[in-house]
Amino acid sequence: DAGITQSPRHKVTETGTPVTLRCHQTENHRYMYWYRQDPGHGLRLIHYSYGVKDTDKGEVSDGYSVSRSKTEDFLLTLESATSSQTSVYFCAISEEGRGETQYFGPGTRLLVL
Amino acid sequence: LAKTTQPISMDSYEGQEVNITCSHNNIATNDYITWYQQFPSQGPRFIIQGYKTKVTNEVASLFIPADRKSSTLSLPRVSLSDTAVYYCLVGDMRAAGNKLTFGGGTRVLVKP
Repeated sequence: DAGITQSPRHKVTETGTPVTLRCHQTENHRYMYWYRQDPGHGLRLIHYSYGVKDTDKGEVSDGYSVSRSKTEDFLLTLESATSSQTSVYFCAISEEGRGETQYFGPGTRLLVL
Repeated sequence: LAKTTQPISMDSYEGQEVNITCSHNNIATNDYITWYQQFPSQGPRFIIQGYKTKVTNEVASLFIPADRKSSTLSLPRVSLSDTAVYYCLVGDMRAAGNKLTFGGGTRVLVKP
């Protein structure tokens, strides 16, 4: 399995608080992605990164920001969490972003009360 | 990305072959077809990818007719551990960004 870890694995927080999720990879892959998964919606892309300090928006980016200061780390921040952001968040990586497999992390369950 | 349509769920029994068909009527010339598998509480895992005709690996086969408007994932002799959600994705995987669009997937339940 690709070396991808996510932290925390579970988090409960309150509406209005900031939350940061971390994705760490040991594969030195260029591309990293953040998805959220909700019942009935499959996985939806939030943001992705194609290099250090290079990021772009995905399908559902409102309310989220990302940062990538090192190749191995991709952070997802909810500046002010809302109940609609309760979800399972998956990080993924790929080598070049052109047609090859994406490898997914174990996911983070976030509950916003 | 081309929209895909696949059955919501399928039941099967151990040892049987499972075939999941995905419709993608608006597939473009440069689009590839990719299937992912997801077990409960885990991230999706790549199964197979193809452009036309037939592709086979150690896990599954992918059949794509000449018009490419549909594709069929075939899982031979399934076991209980093949119970999972299977996603069909279609897109120009050669485009920069490799952004994937997942639909609802097909929930496959393998019974003893």
